[in-house]
Amino acid sequence: EPEVTQTPSHQVTQMGQEVILRCVPISNHLYFYWYRQILGQKVEFLVSFYNNEISEKSEIFDDQFSVERPDGSNFTLKIRSTKLEDSAMYFCASRGRQGTSNQPQHFGDGTRLSIL
Amino acid sequence: DQQVKQNSPSLSVQEGRISILNCDYTNSMFDYFLWYKKYPAEGPTFLISISSIKDKNEDGRFTVFLNKSAKHLSLHIVPSQPGDSAVYFCAASAAGDYKLSFGAGTTVTVRA
Repeated sequence: EPEVTQTPSHQVTQMGQEVILRCVPISNHLYFYWYRQILGQKVEFLVSFYNNEISEKSEIFDDQFSVERPDGSNFTLKIRSTKLEDSAMYFCASRGRQGTSNQPQHFGDGTRLSIL
Repeated sequence: DQQVKQNSPSLSVQEGRISILNCDYTNSMFDYFLWYKKYPAEGPTFLISISSIKDKNEDGRFTVFLNKSAKHLSLHIVPSQPGDSAVYFCAASAAGDYKLSFGAGTTVTVRA
């Protein structure tokens, strides 16, 4: 069964450094998402991406964050200058075809980001 | 974000019995509801969903019930199996707004 893959599984970075989290969504999917889960908290939405542009972003997704689909397969999340509070599990998700929103999002296994 | 609530952080059930997980929501614009299952060190795995035009959806051992007037949904797992031990998340989205709002999760433990 097709799946969303994320790399790396664990990223340790010094505060203030840039980090790029990578995702390969399911190949025929059109909608892409990033979520994060801080330890002990809910999974929370960061950003959605469709047709090569951001379709929605949360308050968390400030100027330090950016997303890109550099080629036909990868979808990346960049954090420009990491803070301690960016430490979390980051999940990529994708969803299928155009039209109805009533399709499930499929998630990768996440990248655990640890900021020191 | 308190739009989706799972008030029971944990549930313990004997193998073979029914597991019932509950979820409440506050946003009346939500029209699509999902349940995800999560094992440690893995991402959420889609289990079952329901559209607001229905009140029940069944898939094998899993059934989701939706009560729109009460803004409540539940997931029934019958019979419960040891492999069902995991964290279960309720999630919801509104029409034209494809992001998911998640509940805090319920940890299910199935006892042999």
